[in-house]
Amino acid sequence: GNSVTQMEGPVTLSEEAFLTINCTYTATGYPSLFWYVQYPGEGLQLLLKATKADDKGSNKGFEATYRKETTSFHLEKGSVQVSDSAVYFCAIGGSQGNLIFGKGTKLSVKP
Amino acid sequence: KAGVTQTPRYLIKTRGQQVTLSCSPISGHRSVSWYQQTPGQGLQFLFEYFSETQRNKGNFPGRFSGRQFSNSRSEMNVSTLELGDSALYLCASSSGQGASSYNSPLHFGNGTRLTVT
Repeated sequence: GNSVTQMEGPVTLSEEAFLTINCTYTATGYPSLFWYVQYPGEGLQLLLKATKADDKGSNKGFEATYRKETTSFHLEKGSVQVSDSAVYFCAIGGSQGNLIFGKGTKLSVKP
Repeated sequence: KAGVTQTPRYLIKTRGQQVTLSCSPISGHRSVSWYQQTPGQGLQFLFEYFSETQRNKGNFPGRFSGRQFSNSRSEMNVSTLELGDSALYLCASSSGQGASSYNSPLHFGNGTRLTVT
């Protein structure tokens, strides 16, 4: 079945640093790919999505490109802020009509 | 527009008891999904309901069940609680127009944290 593997954290960066969180996938067909973010004490929020190869999802300065040739969907941001501190989840559509999530990567941004 | 509301936020139960969790989706959303989040297993899909019918189901034992009402509100029930059922239970709603609800963005509630002692 479909699956995603994302880099393990935690990741600690200084404010204004460049962020990359790696995510690779295995899939049959061409499912949509997602990044969700979870702030402390809250549920998950959709950050961005891409529905087909070469699509770029973007939101709040974050970007990710659906790359079929490398089966990747890496999350990037050019300049992180303290407020970006959260847990980030890569996700892929599953055969049960559900989302299959990665283990999550905790990001801490220091001032 | 109000978001997804889950009640209660916290629950403490004893092994062997049963528990019911509630979820009110965003107005107009007909699909409700439930996920279990634990530090060890991460986020795992429990089931999805659409227009009062269970449309999809994950790999959980029969002790986990759910239902959806005509107003799209959903409840999840866990019977004969085990220590391993301690987790954050997340509900998500979507417009779910397609065969798979994930094609419409999922909107998550803040979860119910269940502790089994």
